[in-house]
Amino acid sequence: AQSVTQLGSHVSVSEGALVLLRCNYSSSVPPYLFWYVQYPNQGLQLLLKYTSAATLVKGINGFEAEFKKSETSFHLTKPSAHMSDAAEYFCAVSLSGGYQKVTFGIGTKLQVIP
Amino acid sequence: DAGITQSPRYKITETGRQVTLMCHQTWSHSYMFWYRQDLGHGLRLIYYSAAADITDKGEVPDGYVVSRSKTENFPLTLESATRSQTSVYFCASRGVAETQYFGPGTRLLVL
Repeated sequence: AQSVTQLGSHVSVSEGALVLLRCNYSSSVPPYLFWYVQYPNQGLQLLLKYTSAATLVKGINGFEAEFKKSETSFHLTKPSAHMSDAAEYFCAVSLSGGYQKVTFGIGTKLQVIP
Repeated sequence: DAGITQSPRYKITETGRQVTLMCHQTWSHSYMFWYRQDLGHGLRLIYYSAAADITDKGEVPDGYVVSRSKTENFPLTLESATRSQTSVYFCASRGVAETQYFGPGTRLLVL
């Protein structure tokens, strides 16, 4: 079984400030981990994913996430927030080895203040 | 158009009516999924399909029916719509390394 917890349903940052969105997971076997972004009235779009290769994963739009097994975390960061980053972000986990279901967190809405 | 599409994008219906939401993908992905998205719940899996004619229940299947006669299509039917089924519905297909690709969603309002 797997689960994911996103800490903070709403996060506000100033434009140009660091973005940090937190995600902790629970998994009985090595996981695949994902961050998705959802802009208003759109579907989810993959930002980045961890599939047991490098622990620091770089994604689109300047985002990156680091897999920390000891902390069971996969936090999403971006050095400098842009107004266009305002969206809802979902962390997700899936078991590796062919298990097909993905479990999503409840989402974190990011507000960027000018 | 390549990708995954959903129709209709918006739907208003009344309690007790049957509603079918359509999903079409052009990648020939084997796995397809239906989710509903509600405030405070994130995305919850309704049904999924491993291939044509193979479907299985997800986390919240009650009140929904699916079919998959062709690989590219995965319709979701609400047999008798209830107000609790007011939601945003997303279809997705699975590519490499468990990555899911989502459609634009269908906003359903049940009056």
